[in-house]
Amino acid sequence: KNQVEQSPQSLIILEGKNCTLQCNYTVSPFSNLRWYKQDTGRGPVSLTIMTFSENTKSNGRYTATLDADTKQSSLHITASQLSDSASYICVVSVQNQGGKLIFGQGTELSVKP
Amino acid sequence: SQTIHQWPATLVQPVGSPLSLECTVEGTSNPNLYWYRQAAGRGLQLLFYSVGIGQISSEVPQNLSASRPQDRQFILSSKKLLLSDSGFYLCAWSYTSGRGAEAFFGQGTRLTVV
Repeated sequence: KNQVEQSPQSLIILEGKNCTLQCNYTVSPFSNLRWYKQDTGRGPVSLTIMTFSENTKSNGRYTATLDADTKQSSLHITASQLSDSASYICVVSVQNQGGKLIFGQGTELSVKP
Repeated sequence: SQTIHQWPATLVQPVGSPLSLECTVEGTSNPNLYWYRQAAGRGLQLLFYSVGIGQISSEVPQNLSASRPQDRQFILSSKKLLLSDSGFYLCAWSYTSGRGAEAFFGQGTRLTVV
């Protein structure tokens, strides 16, 4: 069964600190993996995308890694800001199924001053 | 450029009343369309998935239905709402390029069933 598991479910950190969010997937055949940021009451917005051959991708203070062998991805946030408080969702697309997406449950990040 | 419109943004409906949420996409043709629900404190749950007009796949059994009367229009409906239908509903569209599928989301509808 195609599944995406994220950990931790929620995380509280102090402003300026770094954090790492984890994503494990069992999706096959794998097409790509995206990390989305969802602010409360809004639709998710894409942060990074990685295909099978890519193992790291940065977007400002966000760095995503992908290990296609172990089927794990991480999202590292450096020098966190209050505006980083949001839900971070890992999404994996299934190859050859018309772009079908499998969503993780998300990690709720709260950055405190 | 492509845009996705979803409305209304918020909705309060009594139990037993009907529901109709509409989503339209502009700037693309034959998109894959999705309806998701996000219950309070939970992740996104895929409800319906459509690859073309009149083609709807239901991911979970529920009190809701979906229709795609036009290529870029996706409608989420219910004949009689339940309290458990409350949640945040998101419409999305996706396309597949050389890098795989990419999804774009509407701004969501906050539905409260009272």
